[in-house]
Amino acid sequence: KQEVTQIPAALSVPEGENLVLNCSFTDSAIYNLQWFRQDPGKGLTSLLLIQSSQREQTSGRLNASLDKSSGRSTLYIAASQPGDSATYLCAADAGGTSYGKLTFGQGTILTVHP
Amino acid sequence: SQTIHQWPATLVQPVGSPLSLECTVEGTSNPNLYWYRQAAGRGLQLLFYSVGIGQISSEVPQNLSASRPQDRQFILSSKKLLLSDSGFYLCACQTGGSGNTIYFGEGSWLTVV
Repeated sequence: KQEVTQIPAALSVPEGENLVLNCSFTDSAIYNLQWFRQDPGKGLTSLLLIQSSQREQTSGRLNASLDKSSGRSTLYIAASQPGDSATYLCAADAGGTSYGKLTFGQGTILTVHP
Repeated sequence: SQTIHQWPATLVQPVGSPLSLECTVEGTSNPNLYWYRQAAGRGLQLLFYSVGIGQISSEVPQNLSASRPQDRQFILSSKKLLLSDSGFYLCACQTGGSGNTIYFGEGSWLTVV
């Protein structure tokens, strides 16, 4: 059974800092890994999706990497802004007959201070 | 791109009452649809998924059921709510086959009292 862990559980940084959020998964046989953002009381917004054959994906100030062999993914946020404050969730998709059945981590609560 | 609508956004229901949460999708056809629940301290858990009209698979045994009467409509129901059914219910959609991005709706907050 896939288990996804996110470290740290919470992170508080001053505006302008570069930061890294970590995600680890126990079963390396994933089809892809997705990073989401969740604002308080809201649904999830998809940030990046990395296919199992890819090493990284970039979108603006966000960069996500994937190392299947070690069961790790990282989300790098450059030049953080107060508007980046949210909970960040990673989720592993096993694919195949289990496609779309995401296993989520508990999330990292990010606070960026002005 | 697809848009996912969920309603109601918030509801408070007494124990033993019925439940119906509705999810509709716009901007796509023949999507895979999912119901997730986010309970305090427990993270997101997949409840049901559907690959087509009338096709429902349950991930965990529980007091809930799901139905898909139309291609872009997904309904979560219960005949008698329990306190433990409280949580944030999220509908999700995936198109274009496995491995593609999954999009989520804005969610429905359910409090069972």
